[in-house]
Amino acid sequence: AQTVTQSQPEMSVQEAETVTLSCTYDTSESDYYLFWYKQPPSRQMILVIRQEAYKQQNATENRFSVNFQKAAKSFSLKISDSQLGDAAMYFCAYRSFFMGSARQLTFGSGTQLTVLP
Amino acid sequence: NAGVTQTPKFRVLKTGQSMTLLCAQDMNHEYMYWYRQDPGMGLRLIHYSVGEGTTAKGEVPDGYNVSRLKKQNFLLGLESAAPSQTSVYFCASVASGYNEQFFGPGTRLTVL
Repeated sequence: AQTVTQSQPEMSVQEAETVTLSCTYDTSESDYYLFWYKQPPSRQMILVIRQEAYKQQNATENRFSVNFQKAAKSFSLKISDSQLGDAAMYFCAYRSFFMGSARQLTFGSGTQLTVLP
Repeated sequence: NAGVTQTPKFRVLKTGQSMTLLCAQDMNHEYMYWYRQDPGMGLRLIHYSVGEGTTAKGEVPDGYNVSRLKKQNFLLGLESAAPSQTSVYFCASVASGYNEQFFGPGTRLTVL
């Protein structure tokens, strides 16, 4: 079974600065997907960024980018030019690439990000 | 296109009462899931369905039952609610061949 670990329950960042959220995972599979989800106070789960394990290039979406280290099983999220609207709970998640899988997500415990004005 | 909707959004039950949470999606997705979210534990999979008429257990299935009689609906039932089932429940769906799961807005359930 796969596990996802987020070791930072809380983080804070000054507005306009950069912050990095950490995520490690454990799996015996060679192909898989990794995700970062954002959950603002509204509770809605919002996909921030996705990484395919077979791609060496790190994914980027505007101010959000990842540092994917497959050998180290590490998947960190970098938020540049932080904005007040980035304040939320962030979840790292894993999904098997196996075609016969149920495609369910395995989540980490989350990191609560506070953005200071 | 409403996406994934959940009914109700809030509910308070007494221990031993039963209830059903309804999840509906209008995207013709094959896969549907029920997760629960508890503080410090992220989201954990309760049950899932890979198609109409099929269901399977996830990580924390005890105390819950599910049914998927129609492709667009996935019901989560609590036959005899317990305080340990106080949580926020999320439904999600995904289309075959795609990666992004679409989540509903969540249901906050309190069992007294």
